[in-house]
Amino acid sequence: GQNIDQPTEMTATEGAIVQINCTYQTSGFNGLFWYQQHAGEAPTFLSYNVLDGLEEKGRFSSFLSRSKGYSYLLLKELQMKDSASYLCAVMDSNYQLIWGAGTKLIIKP
Amino acid sequence: ETGVTQTPRHLVMGMTNKKSLKCEQHLGHNAMYWYKQSAKKPLELMFVYSLEERVENNSVPSRFSPECPNSSHLFLHLHTLQPEDSALYLCASSQETGAPRGYTFGSGTRLTVV
Repeated sequence: GQNIDQPTEMTATEGAIVQINCTYQTSGFNGLFWYQQHAGEAPTFLSYNVLDGLEEKGRFSSFLSRSKGYSYLLLKELQMKDSASYLCAVMDSNYQLIWGAGTKLIIKP
Repeated sequence: ETGVTQTPRHLVMGMTNKKSLKCEQHLGHNAMYWYKQSAKKPLELMFVYSLEERVENNSVPSRFSPECPNSSHLFLHLHTLQPEDSALYLCASSQETGAPRGYTFGSGTRLTVV
């Protein structure tokens, strides 16, 4: 079966750096997505990786290793507003999005 | 505001009620989706519409009935639901099915079945 694994919850300190990992086993691969979802709000697109390597976008970076079935989302200079759930999703060979259960990130002052 | 609007934001209904969820997008997207989001579980795809035609139904119980009258509107009709159907129901749209740049989501309808 297809599977996406990510930690259920993480805690970090304001101003610090946090890395949220995602491992996947899917039928084919057409890209990996990270979404951010604040409580009671819509998931919003953060990043898309289809080739190996690091994609940097401001304070957020996303890394992909297709050979290892692994990605991480790196958040730098954490702010209180970064408290949210982070969803990892992989598009399989049928262009279906397979979702992880999300990682709830708690930022403490 | 994400470009995808869902109403109502919250809904409480009894098991014998009939209600409908509404989703609207004016992004010019051709594909629309219904997802169910339960606590600590992955998003579950329920229905996919492409150019107003249903292309996928992931074995969803018949008490959920979708309707897509045009490419901008999507409904989810609910009847005789069960308490385990309580969840956040998210609508999403994309340029086309399998769009590599992902989806635009609405804020969801928080459904409670009593």
